[in-house]
Amino acid sequence: GESVGLHLPTLSVQEGDNSIINCAYSNSASDYFIWYKQESGKGPQFIIDIRSNMDKRQGQRVTVLLNKTVKHLSLQIAATQPGDSAVYFCAEIPSGYSTLTFGKGTMLLVSP
Amino acid sequence: KAGVTQTPRYLIKTRGQQVTLSCSPISGHRSVSWYQQTPGQGLQFLFEYFSETQRNKGNFPGRFSGRQFSNSRSEMNVSTLELGDSALYLCASSFGIEQFFGPGTRLTVL
Repeated sequence: GESVGLHLPTLSVQEGDNSIINCAYSNSASDYFIWYKQESGKGPQFIIDIRSNMDKRQGQRVTVLLNKTVKHLSLQIAATQPGDSAVYFCAEIPSGYSTLTFGKGTMLLVSP
Repeated sequence: KAGVTQTPRYLIKTRGQQVTLSCSPISGHRSVSWYQQTPGQGLQFLFEYFSETQRNKGNFPGRFSGRQFSNSRSEMNVSTLELGDSALYLCASSFGIEQFFGPGTRLTVL
């Protein structure tokens, strides 16, 4: 079936750098795309979402970009901090559904 | 407001046994979804309940079942456990688009 995937399994950055986590999706009939952060021993935590009719959405230190032409989603984290170290998942909500289809995840490691 | 709680947090079972996991959603949330997380398959959707009715179901065998009670609390059951059922089982509740996850139940099947 269609799935959401990630390009990089592990991303290592220095504290203060900007991080970019990428995601490719194949289901063009999705209403929402969402980024989740999962820290060790915890469940995924919602970061930011974007509707399919938007190209960009900004939150606090995070920006999500959606390129529907190439079916690509990215999460940009500004001034990355050690506390940002976690696994990041992109997910989509197919049109007409309320459930999440997750990508495989990218581990972000932030060095002080 | 209290978050999503799951019990138990850790569970060890042997092959062939059955297990029941419990999830208490955030107060006021009527939708509860269950996910299985494994290193190999990642996060996979099991099923979703809304107002005591199963609204969506993932691609899992019939050994996996669930239910939701009138207070929105949900349980999932796995019968005839297999080694491959070892995973972190996550419950999420929602009122709208955003799903709030619990800490999960770590199931180990020996």
